[in-house]
Amino acid sequence: EPEVTQTPSHQVTQMGQEVILRCVPISNHLYFYWYRQILGQKVEFLVSFYNNEISEKSEIFDDQFSVERPDGSNFTLKIRSTKLEDSAMYFCASSFIDRENGYTFGSGTRLTVV
Amino acid sequence: SQKIEQNSEALNIQEGKTATLTCNYTNYSPAYLQWYRQDPGRGPVFLLLIRENEKEKRKERLKVTFDTTLKQSLFHITASQPADSATYLCALEAGRRALTFGSGTRLQVQP
Repeated sequence: EPEVTQTPSHQVTQMGQEVILRCVPISNHLYFYWYRQILGQKVEFLVSFYNNEISEKSEIFDDQFSVERPDGSNFTLKIRSTKLEDSAMYFCASSFIDRENGYTFGSGTRLTVV
Repeated sequence: SQKIEQNSEALNIQEGKTATLTCNYTNYSPAYLQWYRQDPGRGPVFLLLIRENEKEKRKERLKVTFDTTLKQSLFHITASQPADSATYLCALEAGRRALTFGSGTRLQVQP
């Protein structure tokens, strides 16, 4: 079964440093997303990406965040200057145009900011 | 303000029984409602999607109902097994692509 692949699985970074989280969505999916889950809390939407541009973003997705699809397979989330409160599990997801099969999530990157 | 509530933070049932999980929402008019399963330390796994004009949907041992008047969805697992133990998440989509998740119900199926 096709999978969404995320790397790294764990990342520890110093406050103020930049991090890039990487994802390889399912190859014939057209929509890509980033979500995050702070420990013990809900899964929260960050951003959706379609046709090489952001289609929607949440209030969480401020100027310190950016997304990119640098080639035909990778989808990245960059956090420019990490804060302690950015510590969370970050999930990448992808989907068809047709919603019937829902969204396929990756296993996540656990980001710890120290 | 918009709210999604999943009743019962935790639900314990005996193997073989039917588990019923509830998702209530306020101040939303969702076009779609989805249910996901999440295991500890893992990403959500899609189970079922139901549209606003559908009352019920089934997939193997799973059944979802959607009542837009009551603003409620019920998620049933029949003939439950210990392997069904996980957190189950309700998620709404109001026409755009952003899913809004509930906080989840942790289901424990006792052998």
